[in-house]
Amino acid sequence: DGGITQSPKYLFRKEGQNVTLSCEQNLNHDAMYWYRQDPGQGLRLIYYSQIVNDFQKGDIAEGYSVSREKKESFPLTVTSAQKNPTAFYLCASRAALEGPQHFGDGTRLSIL
Amino acid sequence: SQQGEEDPQALSIQEGENATMNCSYKTSINNLQWYRQNSGRGLVHLILIRSNEREKHSGRLRVTLDTSKKSSSLLITASRAADTASYFCATDGNQFYFGTGTSLTVIP
Repeated sequence: DGGITQSPKYLFRKEGQNVTLSCEQNLNHDAMYWYRQDPGQGLRLIYYSQIVNDFQKGDIAEGYSVSREKKESFPLTVTSAQKNPTAFYLCASRAALEGPQHFGDGTRLSIL
Repeated sequence: SQQGEEDPQALSIQEGENATMNCSYKTSINNLQWYRQNSGRGLVHLILIRSNEREKHSGRLRVTLDTSKKSSSLLITASRAADTASYFCATDGNQFYFGTGTSLTVIP
């Protein structure tokens, strides 16, 4: 079945540590997105990529980095510069510039 | 900044009743989409309505769009306990923005 796989489901970060969240899709979608969701709130865009080897900052990119070396993969690194990383992180993809987004089941990141 | 604002923030109804959620947005759009999120899960796309459409149906879902008022509504008819979830509108224009969501509880 086609879909988006996020791993791990739960992740813990120590102070000063960088952590990387994985997002893989087998939908053959060009565009991929990373969102942050805080409790009881909507989604805020961190980064997006419309094509391999290209990506743009979203509304809250500070403290995060991404890469898009393969069409299927769009990993997100939460760096030590992100002072409040505790949140639910969602990865999404879509086939065209207009149309529905398909989501993974998220990674919940917490601070130790 | 978020484009969409939803109303109400929370809604609690009895099974079998209808649920209506509203979404207001600020700028021009190509289409507006509604998504559902079960607790601790990713979002699932429900329905898309284009800017030149006024109403769209999908099963028990009915969506309206009024571009002059920059607003949309989602109606879920004959609600079931399994409809309990958060519902988000998303505007698709120059950028893609999600609303703040409505938390729906359907009481059996």
